[in-house]
Amino acid sequence: DIQMTQSPSSLSASVGDRVIIPCRASQGINKYLAWYQQKPGKVPKLVIYAASTLQSGVPPRFSGSGSGTDFTLTISSLQPEDVATYYCQQYNSAPLTFGGGTRVEIK
Amino acid sequence: EVQLVESGGGLVQPGRSLRLSCRASGFAFGDYAMSWVRQAPGKGLEWVGCIRGKLYGGTTDYAASVKGRFSISRDDSNNFAYLQMNSLKTEDTAIYYCTRDEGATAWFVDHWGQGTLVSVSS
Repeated sequence: DIQMTQSPSSLSASVGDRVIIPCRASQGINKYLAWYQQKPGKVPKLVIYAASTLQSGVPPRFSGSGSGTDFTLTISSLQPEDVATYYCQQYNSAPLTFGGGTRVEIK
Repeated sequence: EVQLVESGGGLVQPGRSLRLSCRASGFAFGDYAMSWVRQAPGKGLEWVGCIRGKLYGGTTDYAASVKGRFSISRDDSNNFAYLQMNSLKTEDTAIYYCTRDEGATAWFVDHWGQGTLVSVSS
């Protein structure tokens, strides 16, 4: 099975900061990577798929990059409404797997 | 509008069984893979398994943690997906989300249900 690693498990940044969230796969997954945002008490929401394609309706301050084993989700200018936990997921091969998540907080 | 509504959650004793249902609407159900994702209290997301769409023959895949105990099925005539959970363990306690994959095979999730809570306890 492919293991997805997200570190750090949490980070704190100021409003307006650029935030970079890393995700690493235990083996190459091409660009079959998605990012989800889960706000406290809410259902997860798709943010990015195919490593860098922005889901419809998601603000353009979110972007994704990477291929193979190393990926990042970037928030170009952190907003208060971006406080959430972000999960990466590989869909290169079953069983699909999620990373452990990175919680983003406002400093 | 895509809607996914889960039902069937509740409190169950270890070793017992439970079946979750997911009623889908707003899309051509048989054309899409359906997955179940769970989230234990205060923990992250865990992919449970999926059932592919008719293009892929409705085949299934499961996470190692539930393989042999859980099974997923679908009723394309009535737009339902099911998660049959047998030999439940306390560590299966979680919110279970029914999800639609963006495609006929196991893929990323583009729609989520609201979830149903399963509590396994004596």
